[in-house]
Amino acid sequence: DAGITQSPRYKITETGRQVTLMCHQTWSHSYMFWYRQDLGHGLRLIYYSAAADITDKGEVPDGYVVSRSKTENFPLTLESATRSQTSVYFCASSEQGWGYTFGSGTRLTVV
Amino acid sequence: AQKVTQAQTEISVVEKEDVTLDCVYETRDTTYYLFWYKQPPSGELVFLIRRNSFDEQNEISGRYSWNFQKSTSSFNFTITASQVVDSAVYFCALITGTASKLTFGTGTRLQVTL
Repeated sequence: DAGITQSPRYKITETGRQVTLMCHQTWSHSYMFWYRQDLGHGLRLIYYSAAADITDKGEVPDGYVVSRSKTENFPLTLESATRSQTSVYFCASSEQGWGYTFGSGTRLTVV
Repeated sequence: AQKVTQAQTEISVVEKEDVTLDCVYETRDTTYYLFWYKQPPSGELVFLIRRNSFDEQNEISGRYSWNFQKSTSSFNFTITASQVVDSAVYFCALITGTASKLTFGTGTRLQVTL
């Protein structure tokens, strides 16, 4: 199906574990983004990518790693999960200036 | 740097009331785009409108209308005759210049009751 898909939808992990959130888009949009949503903060940008093999930090990148070897995929890895990374994570894609299409989100709980 | 402020954290209205959600933005760029997104209780983010900085015409779509005023750096959203299904968190957002990073406000939670 066309669109942007995030997996998993829900994830519970333990402190210190590595976890990867997946994001796949079928539009061949140049830009992809990862946001986290926390109460009182709205959505904050973690990392973004302008094209394959080009990534850059957003507002809150610490503790996260991204890669983009293919245009359609943009995984987000928490190298050593902490409780402060409990959040809802949204992936998005866009063409420049045209606004975003968001995935359905991944609710991550770190215990 | 750009910033979006949604000063209203929560608003409660009774069905059929009109309600306005405020959005104030800051940017030094002359070219920018403003957005509104809706996040219903199911959690997905739904695009509502995109407006560029050169188009100050107000927009109306059914019960929804948007008032863009560059003089006050505001992009307010009004729901006329609100309905329970309008209950959601609404986000205002901004993209500036050649950048593609969307900057969000902190959102306004709208509760519409019978």
